[in-house]
Amino acid sequence: SQTIHQWPATLVQPVGSPLSLECTVEGTSNPNLYWYRQAAGRGLQLLFYSVGIGQISSEVPQNLSASRPQDRQFILSSKKLLLSDSGFYLCAWSDTFGSGTRLTVV
Amino acid sequence: GENVEQHPSTLSVQEGDSAVIKCTYSDSASNYFPWYKQELGKRPQLIIDIRSNVGEKKDQRIAVTLNKTAKHFSLHITETQPEDSAVYFCALRENDYKLSFGAGTTVTVRA
Repeated sequence: SQTIHQWPATLVQPVGSPLSLECTVEGTSNPNLYWYRQAAGRGLQLLFYSVGIGQISSEVPQNLSASRPQDRQFILSSKKLLLSDSGFYLCAWSDTFGSGTRLTVV
Repeated sequence: GENVEQHPSTLSVQEGDSAVIKCTYSDSASNYFPWYKQELGKRPQLIIDIRSNVGEKKDQRIAVTLNKTAKHFSLHITETQPEDSAVYFCALRENDYKLSFGAGTTVTVRA
């Protein structure tokens, strides 16, 4: 079966600290992978998508970056978090979402 | 990306009544239209989808209609129940890779 794993579930980080969120999928090969952000009470904003290893497309300029070191691994990073980076981050494979990471920057 | 407009932003219905959410778009090349339900604090879950070669699709109490000429698609929930309360998002695929989402509709079913 095809599953998507995302961690951590919640994260509280100080302003200026780095960030690393990880997403892995099972049961498929060469998946299209996505990172979305959802601000409180808002819709889904596509941040990055990847169609293969090392292939990253950025949708929104910001202080976040993404990497795909392996076929079924997608990582969202930041060198220095801003308060405005707070939100619910969702990894997705095709039409299926991971369980999400609720990030609070304090 | 493709602009998807979703209305209404909030919808309150009496239990047992129907709920209808409508989305409009502009890119006629869009060919896949999913709907997601997101309960509070949880991930969006795909509940129904429709492709451009079909005008209507039904799954128990939920149905989706698509009018490609007018470029709009709608979600219909009949015989609403309290567990239908959630935020619903429409979306469409504008190429082989990306989904564009509407802003969401908060549905509240009053008992």
